[in-house]
Parts: sequence; C-alpha cells; structure tokens
Amino acid sequence: AQTVTQSQPEMSVQEAETVTLSCTYDTSESDYYLFWYKQPPSRQMILVIRQEAYKQQNATENRFSVNFQKAAKSFSLKISDSQLGDAAMYFCAYRPNAGNNRKLIWGLGTSLAVNP
Amino acid sequence: EPEVTQTPSHQVTQMGQEVILRCVPISNHLYFYWYRQILGQKVEFLVSFYNNEISEKSEIFDDQFSVERPDGSNFTLKIRSTKLEDSAMYFCASSLQGQGGTEAFFGQGTRLTVV
Repeated sequence: AQTVTQSQPEMSVQEAETVTLSCTYDTSESDYYLFWYKQPPSRQMILVIRQEAYKQQNATENRFSVNFQKAAKSFSLKISDSQLGDAAMYFCAYRPNAGNNRKLIWGLGTSLAVNP
Repeated sequence: EPEVTQTPSHQVTQMGQEVILRCVPISNHLYFYWYRQILGQKVEFLVSFYNNEISEKSEIFDDQFSVERPDGSNFTLKIRSTKLEDSAMYFCASSLQGQGGTEAFFGQGTRLTVV
C-alpha cells in the first residue's frame, strides 16, 4: 500500500531562519509525483511545490525547496528566510502517475509556527 | 485569480439527515474531487469525477455518498443519511487534467458537524 508519513506533528522556527519539514513515503511505483501543500488558517490547501520522481534535480520555488531522495523515499521541504505568513499546516502528498489513478495520498501534516 | 468555491463553510446536521455540500470548480477544469479530513487524521480521498461520471472512488465512498454535476458549474457531494463519524472537513478540488503532476486546486472546505 502507498503511504505518506510526516513524523513531525509540530515545528517552530524563528523569523528569517531556515526550517526543514520531513516526509517519507512508501510505494512500489517508479513513476509518481510528490507535493507539498500549505493550509493556512483560512483552511484552503495551497500547492507549495511539486517534484516529478523521474527528475533528479530538486524542485525550487523561491524560498521553498525540496530534498528528494528517491532511493530513500524521502521528500523534505526546506523553507528559507521564514516569514510570519509561512505559519500553517504543511502536508506532504503523493500521486502515482499510472493509469486512471488520480487521487492524492496524504501525510498527517506538520504544524509550523513562525516566531517573531 | 480563479478559485474553487465551497458552500457552506460550516454545516451542522442531525444524524440521519441528508446533507448536500456544494462546490464550484474552476470553470475550465475537467477533473473534480472530494476529499475529507476527520479532525486529527489524514486527508482522505473520497471520489474523482470526470466526463460526468465517477472515475475513481475509495472504500469510504459507499452507497450513502453520491456526487453530481447538475448544471455544468456546480459539483455536489450528497450524504444520504449522515452518521456521527461523517463529521469532518470536506474539501472539493478541481484540476485541468488528470495526469499525476497536474496541480489540484482546493476550496476552503466545508466543516460538517453531525450531532
């Protein structure tokens, strides 16, 4: 079965500092996508960054970057220069790229607090 | 910027009652989804919908659940006879394509409380 694990229920970071959120997953597929979604207090799920499994290069979006280790099935999110607006729940999600399977499989989430 | 809209934001219903959760996906999107999140638990996939039919559903999506796209803009989730364990946040999402890397855009969710 495909699973996503986020082992850090809560994290905190000082404003302007860097924080890394962990995610591991389990799958027998070789072709898939990984995502980090942010859920602020407004509750809307917002895509932060995505990674294609076939790409060795780690995805980067401004202050957000990932460390994708395919062999270890690890997909961590690094937030640089943390801002107060980064405070939110962060969810790691997985989707295989095969057949008609379109659903996202989610981790439990990590609640990130940003301290001024 | 286009967005997915869900109504109501919070619904309280009595056990055994029918409830309809409404969603307006982004207008040119073709794939629609419902997910739910029970408090403190993982976000769970319920159903995906494409070309006016269900393309995939989870084991949670039993006969008590149904989805409909009645008028080309709304996408609804109906729960026929609610149970206490149906209390959760329900998220609607839509995407332009169904391939693995396509971004799914989510609504703000409907918090359903069954009493």
